Amino acid sequence: DQQVKQNSPSLSVQEGRISILNCDYTNSMFDYFLWYKKYPAEGPTFLISISSIKDKNEDGRFTVFLNKSAKHLSLHIVPSQPGDSAVYFCAASPKSAGGTSYGKLTFGQGTILTVHP
Amino acid sequence: KAGVTQTPRYLIKTRGQQVTLSCSPISGHRSVSWYQQTPGQGLQFLFEYFSETQRNKGNFPGRFSGRQFSNSRSEMNVSTLELGDSALYLCASSLGWGSSYEQYFGPGTRLTVT
Repeated sequence: DQQVKQNSPSLSVQEGRISILNCDYTNSMFDYFLWYKKYPAEGPTFLISISSIKDKNEDGRFTVFLNKSAKHLSLHIVPSQPGDSAVYFCAASPKSAGGTSYGKLTFGQGTILTVHP
Repeated sequence: KAGVTQTPRYLIKTRGQQVTLSCSPISGHRSVSWYQQTPGQGLQFLFEYFSETQRNKGNFPGRFSGRQFSNSRSEMNVSTLELGDSALYLCASSLGWGSSYEQYFGPGTRLTVT
């Protein structure tokens, strides 16, 4: 049972345009969401996060949108650059019961983003 | 600030052997989580240690174990290795408390079981 799903295995975008990566989740207990970027043979790099009390969070070229009723989040990258080409993972963390759930992230399967010059 | 470090980076073991992987978290981080990445299963949570105690555990057999030391460094052990244990093992550290859920990952240890 995959609780976090990234239904698009890959996405191809032209440099300068917007990249939109999508993620759906099924577990209502998730209340914190994160996006990571990963290059081959390296660990994931944290990009941006959002708490369930918000519907949008921005950091430079990266914006994450959360639609709780649809259990859907998306990552927008504007403008896209060739250096953004990597695998992008969304991850979710459950509500913390007295601080006990912080360290357990559930990841999607990833989306390969290719930004063409 | 130095990032998360993992040693060794690459390891080749034979079926039936055991292996120990090491992780040093970012200074000040008290939580260390371990993940397994394979092509078929993706990134899967193994366990988390916070202040030397296992705080969360994923769905892996008892052959996978870990521990955390008083300086927050952590080790992960896999006994009686199987071919299916070949994977990239990632360690991540975080503050482990407050409102910050962000985890910062090390480069991983690539384990190959032959």
